[in-house]
Amino acid sequence: QKEVEQDPGPLSVPEGAIVSLNCTYSNSAFQYFMWYRQYSRKGPELLMYTYSSGNKEDGRFTAQVDKSSKYISLFIRDSQPSDSATYLCAMSGGGGSEKLVFGKGTKLTVNP
Amino acid sequence: SAVISQKPSRDICQRGTSLTIQCQVDSQVTMMFWYRQQPGQSLTLIATANQGSEATYESGFVIDKFPISRPNLTFSTLTVSNMSPEDSSIYLCSVAGRDGGYTFGSGTRLTVV
Repeated sequence: QKEVEQDPGPLSVPEGAIVSLNCTYSNSAFQYFMWYRQYSRKGPELLMYTYSSGNKEDGRFTAQVDKSSKYISLFIRDSQPSDSATYLCAMSGGGGSEKLVFGKGTKLTVNP
Repeated sequence: SAVISQKPSRDICQRGTSLTIQCQVDSQVTMMFWYRQQPGQSLTLIATANQGSEATYESGFVIDKFPISRPNLTFSTLTVSNMSPEDSSIYLCSVAGRDGGYTFGSGTRLTVV
């Protein structure tokens, strides 16, 4: 079993839709959870960062972490064509000194 | 969060040659991380670079192939040595921010022919 599992998609939605992206993981030591957005030919851009369980909201984006189920989600409300990118979940056991373990990424296309 | 300047942004290299990738951070950081992203794949950690000590390599990556320098707290280089087409990837450096999130450079897209 891989440490982090993420459905690679691709996922195609109409503009304005609510998008749900998910990852599951197996390592109970993970405490820090991140979502990155990567446009084609660019480096990953940190979107959301969450420590331990709970929700975090930033504008149209909401990140949820359920450590009991080892499941994390990213919701995008009112999706826009500019949200079209690959979304990567990442996690680590410690902040700042430990490597990130990434999911494979989900390719999202938002159609106008 | 930290700002990372990475260069070159892309290069096309002949097999058997070496390429050195540079990352400059706008603030002092203890650790810098080097990742590889193969075509259609996610990111895989190559090594962790501490200033003043040898880099720590992940399983499957060796110093002779990917030597790393970390001369100070704002700069690091990764060299891809004796390249083959299998080394064609995006190479990325990363640092941890004070808030715990990790910032990445814009990446170096390497094509080996």
